[in-house]
Amino acid sequence: QSALTQPASVSGSPGQSITISCTGTSSDVGAYNYVSWYQQHPGKAPKLMLYDVSNRPSGVSNRFSGSKSGNTASLTISGLQAEDEADYYCSSYTSSSTLVFGGGTKLTVL
Amino acid sequence: EVQLLESGGGLVQPGGSLRLSCAASGFTFSSYAMNWARQAPGKGLEWVSGISGSGGSTYYADSVKGRSTISRDNSKNTMYLQMDSLRAEDTAVYYCAKDRKRTTVATFDYWGQGTLVTVPS
Repeated sequence: QSALTQPASVSGSPGQSITISCTGTSSDVGAYNYVSWYQQHPGKAPKLMLYDVSNRPSGVSNRFSGSKSGNTASLTISGLQAEDEADYYCSSYTSSSTLVFGGGTKLTVL
Repeated sequence: EVQLLESGGGLVQPGGSLRLSCAASGFTFSSYAMNWARQAPGKGLEWVSGISGSGGSTYYADSVKGRSTISRDNSKNTMYLQMDSLRAEDTAVYYCAKDRKRTTVATFDYWGQGTLVTVPS
């Protein structure tokens, strides 16, 4: 159950777009469309931003979008805003009927 | 409104035991799988365990398998995590999370605020 691989940090200026990658294996990301993305602000509980690769829960801005190619999923945030500064985690269902998270990516809005 | 309230955290000596509880409200509890995830201080999220809506299927991360037991009481809308043989590396905030589905552990659409478990080294 190795963690999915995410970049430790990404940054962007307000209004720009950024993409965070999430790389797994053929036993998790590559095998299922059960990839989710979570946003976590300091001291707060995580919040679901995307599920099933690219679906947004009600209330989540359409500035957040997701995709997947092979063993790598991606989260794109367009029109970056100061409030987007947070930690982002991907997760995937696995062939062992378990769940694995990515190591997390710290997004800095410059 | 969905609410998840964890309790039972605290300071426990290495080798000791603890039972965490998660009281749920605002949805049909038995219709959804439930999960525990944890976050060590300054670290990332780690999935710990999950249980199907009926309680008939349970799932564990390798890091806690054999030392933890997840269960639920659908009549009380409450989920539990019994943790035994606790180690310093179990120190973390433990979150309760509701799944979007009944049987799989895949997507956590609601999270509690967490309860801190501390195991000194």
